[in-house]
Amino acid sequence: ETGVTQTPRHLVMGMTNKKSLKCEQHLGHNAMYWYKQSAKKPLELMFVYSLEERVENNSVPSRFSPECPNSSHLFLHLHTLQPEDSALYLCASSQNLGGGRSNYGYTFGSGTRLTVV
Amino acid sequence: AQSVTQLGSHVSVSEGALVLLRCNYSSSVPPYLFWYVQYPNQGLQLLLKYTSAATLVKGINGFEAEFKKSETSFHLTKPSAHMSDAAEYFCAVTFYSYNGGSQGNLIFGKGTKLSVKP
Repeated sequence: ETGVTQTPRHLVMGMTNKKSLKCEQHLGHNAMYWYKQSAKKPLELMFVYSLEERVENNSVPSRFSPECPNSSHLFLHLHTLQPEDSALYLCASSQNLGGGRSNYGYTFGSGTRLTVV
Repeated sequence: AQSVTQLGSHVSVSEGALVLLRCNYSSSVPPYLFWYVQYPNQGLQLLLKYTSAATLVKGINGFEAEFKKSETSFHLTKPSAHMSDAAEYFCAVTFYSYNGGSQGNLIFGKGTKLSVKP
């Protein structure tokens, strides 16, 4: 399988549940990202991992907890979410070439449509 | 800080007509600019990118965009719309600083939904 794969595609969870979103990339990239896409809002960058280290956390609430065990896998652990957290969560990857260089090609997964009830 | 503004949240064209989707950017350093397309229930797919080489950039599916520094614009065009072009289009900006060796993350516009009428 090639590209960026996200599972599950759809998730409905209650506010007291704990669930995890999974992202896997088969492109040999060394940076991965979580984005949140809500209706009528711009895509929001949530987390950035480069070489498996978190390099950016854009003031995301602690009920979202990322994990990057290796360069191919990225998780987003969810707990005690709110209805306003319902959105499409997109994972992306890119190749940072070192020395500050990048090919700038972000490859996106198909997303997980999350509904919090 | 960097930002992009996409003018028009919805654009409707007839099949065969010119497609023009507008994007203006704001950046204190030379930008790198991108257009992505999102079909329903899909992720984002890269259409084309400008990374300081040729100002006229050709992408997939017959789309192209021109970087105009004087107008801080990077509008997306296609000469003849096809029904399959109906989707949401996102403009995005980032930067690379050779001096500092730093690299920004992609910042997206709000998107423009393109409808194509038969």
